[in-house]
Amino acid sequence: AQTVTQSQPEMSVQEAETVTLSCTYDTSESNYYLFWYKQPPSRQMILVIRQEAYKQQNATENRFSVNFQKAAKSFSLKISDSQLGDTAMYFCAFMKQNTGNQFYFGTGTSLTVIP
Amino acid sequence: GAVVSQHPSWVICKSGTSVKIECRSLDFQATTMFWYRQFPKQSLMLMATSNEGSKATYEQGVEKDKFLINHASLTLSTLTVTSAHPEDSSFYICSARGDSTNQPQHFGDGTRLSIL
Repeated sequence: AQTVTQSQPEMSVQEAETVTLSCTYDTSESNYYLFWYKQPPSRQMILVIRQEAYKQQNATENRFSVNFQKAAKSFSLKISDSQLGDTAMYFCAFMKQNTGNQFYFGTGTSLTVIP
Repeated sequence: GAVVSQHPSWVICKSGTSVKIECRSLDFQATTMFWYRQFPKQSLMLMATSNEGSKATYEQGVEKDKFLINHASLTLSTLTVTSAHPEDSSFYICSARGDSTNQPQHFGDGTRLSIL
């Protein structure tokens, strides 16, 4: 079974600063996908960034980037130039390749951006 | 693209009634849809996976007779909470995926269900 762990229940960051959210996972699979989803107070789940395990290069989407360490089974999210709109719950998720089935979600990190 | 619409967004009903929640993929064909339940300040818990034209696969501990799932077309899946009780009050979220098994899930906006 796959497990996803987010060890930081709550975090805060000053506006315009950088923050890193941690995520570790446990799997025996070699091919899989990792995702970060954002859930603002509106409760909508928004895909932030995605990483294919077979790619060594870390994914980047504007102010969001990941540090993917496959051997360590670590997948942290870095948010640069934090904005007030980044305030949300952030969930790390794991999906096995070629199953199209279950997402394994972490317990989430509540991020507050302080003006 | 990849828009998933969920309706209603909020429903309040009396204990003992049945409530239907719809999940529609608006601009793609959703081969597979997923239903999640989320309690306050907790993560999403997968309830069931439904594939178009076949019976849903329920996760362990989820009562299939309580939570009826129908995926009759490639753009619509419904979750019916039968004989709802206050403990069924929760936030229910659907997601959908297209043909490719390696695509991310696209989520609906969720339904807040309150049973009085």
